[in-house]
Amino acid sequence: DGGITQSPKYLFRKEGQNVTLSCEQNLNHDAMYWYRQDPGQGLRLIYYSQIVNDFQKGDIAEGYSVSREKKESFPLTVTSAQKNPTAFYLCASSIEGSREKLFFGSGTQLSVL
Amino acid sequence: GQNIDQPTEMTATEGAIVQINCTYQTSGFNGLFWYQQHAGEAPTFLSYNVLDGLEEKGRFSSFLSRSKGYSYLLLKELQMKDSASYLCAVRSLAGGFKTIFGAGTRLFVKA
Repeated sequence: DGGITQSPKYLFRKEGQNVTLSCEQNLNHDAMYWYRQDPGQGLRLIYYSQIVNDFQKGDIAEGYSVSREKKESFPLTVTSAQKNPTAFYLCASSIEGSREKLFFGSGTQLSVL
Repeated sequence: GQNIDQPTEMTATEGAIVQINCTYQTSGFNGLFWYQQHAGEAPTFLSYNVLDGLEEKGRFSSFLSRSKGYSYLLLKELQMKDSASYLCAVRSLAGGFKTIFGAGTRLFVKA
C-alpha cells in the first residue's frame, strides 16, 4: 500500500541537541511538507518542497532545516536554535501543481528532556 | 495576510445534524479543504471546494461562498466516532502553493 511513513513515533531531545525526524513516501508525489501542531493551534507550515533538490521556508522555519535529495524522502532536523521544540510534527505530501489534497503521515511527538 | 477562523468547540447529540463554520481571508484563493483529525492521529481528507456551492459525500457535505470568504461542513446522522477535530484549510497561490490551516473545531458527540 502507498503512503507516508514518519519515524520515530515519539522522540526526546536534550538541550543543545539536534534531532532529525524521518519522512518517507511511496506515493510518487512531487510536493512534501512539514507542519507543526501545538495544542489549540492550527497546523503551521515549517518547510515545503515542490521538487527534488529544492525547498522553501514556511511560516515558522527558524530553528529547523530540511533536505530533499530524493523524491521519496524529506527529513526535518530540529536544531538547538529551536528553543521551544515540543510539539506534534506532521509530514505531508501532494501532487504538486494541482488542487490535490494532502496526505499525512502518522506524526512524531517531540518532547524536550 | 491570511486568516482562518472556526469555532473552538462544539457539542452535538448522536443522530443529530451539526454545522461547523469557517471564515477565511486570503489572497490567491485556490480551494478550501476540510480534514478530520482524531486525537493523536494524522488528519484525513474529507472534502474539497473550489467553486461556490454544496458538495455532498455521504453523511458529510461542504459548502463554499468565495465572495463571502465562508464555508461550512455539515455532518448528518452523527455517530460517536465523529467525535474529532475538524480542520478548515485554504490553499493559496500567494507565495507559492501553500495550504494554511485553521485552529480546528473539536466536536464532541454525546449519546
